[in-house]
Amino acid sequence: NAGVMQNPRHLVRRRGQEARLRCSPMKGHSHVYWYRQLPEEGLKFMVYLQKENIIDESGMPKERFSAEFPKEGPSILRIQQVVRGDSAAYFCASSLPRSGTLTYEQYFGPGTRLTVT
Amino acid sequence: AQTVTQSQPEMSVQEAETVTLSCTYDTSESNYYLFWYKQPPSRQMILVIRQEAYKQQNATENRFSVNFQKAAKSFSLKISDSQLGDTAMYFCAFMKPNYGGATNKLIFGTGTLLAVQP
Repeated sequence: NAGVMQNPRHLVRRRGQEARLRCSPMKGHSHVYWYRQLPEEGLKFMVYLQKENIIDESGMPKERFSAEFPKEGPSILRIQQVVRGDSAAYFCASSLPRSGTLTYEQYFGPGTRLTVT
Repeated sequence: AQTVTQSQPEMSVQEAETVTLSCTYDTSESNYYLFWYKQPPSRQMILVIRQEAYKQQNATENRFSVNFQKAAKSFSLKISDSQLGDTAMYFCAFMKPNYGGATNKLIFGTGTLLAVQP
């Protein structure tokens, strides 16, 4: 049973380019979360998606960042016109809603380390 | 808004000894969940242990246990018989339960880097 997959593991972009980060949740999981870890800091919530819907994007920067989780295929975090401050590790987590529980355990992928030069 | 504080940026322990990592949090919720995650040099986030706030009994997972003090809003992690493989960054995290529109997002502390010395 494969875990959460993220690719690429490492991504280098020049300032002004676009970065696309992909996340394939665990089999059967329909909820995806994206977190960002800046150097020397903890993870910070960015966005929460269910299939074809953005549920909570309160942690997403207002400009240049977008996320989607289509009916088919992986979830994508897209960063347009990257700047040096976007250099960070981006983690995806997935969860499977279970009836009768009020919290859904999140399983993390290995992360994508984005470096902007 | 909820916050999580880890006041020990770095700690060191000898192999086979016991170490305790501190975590405090701030919330007005009465029901919530607390977690400890481990991040080794590979950067993979690994769930170590989880505690439901409505449970009085402290959670235990093999060599890992917590001391949950709800009134003090404290959630420390004790690692017994420390092993070299325990060397990692440890993050404390808070989650509101999924009612009233909460989205189960995790709120992390800044982490404690634990080094286990041979």
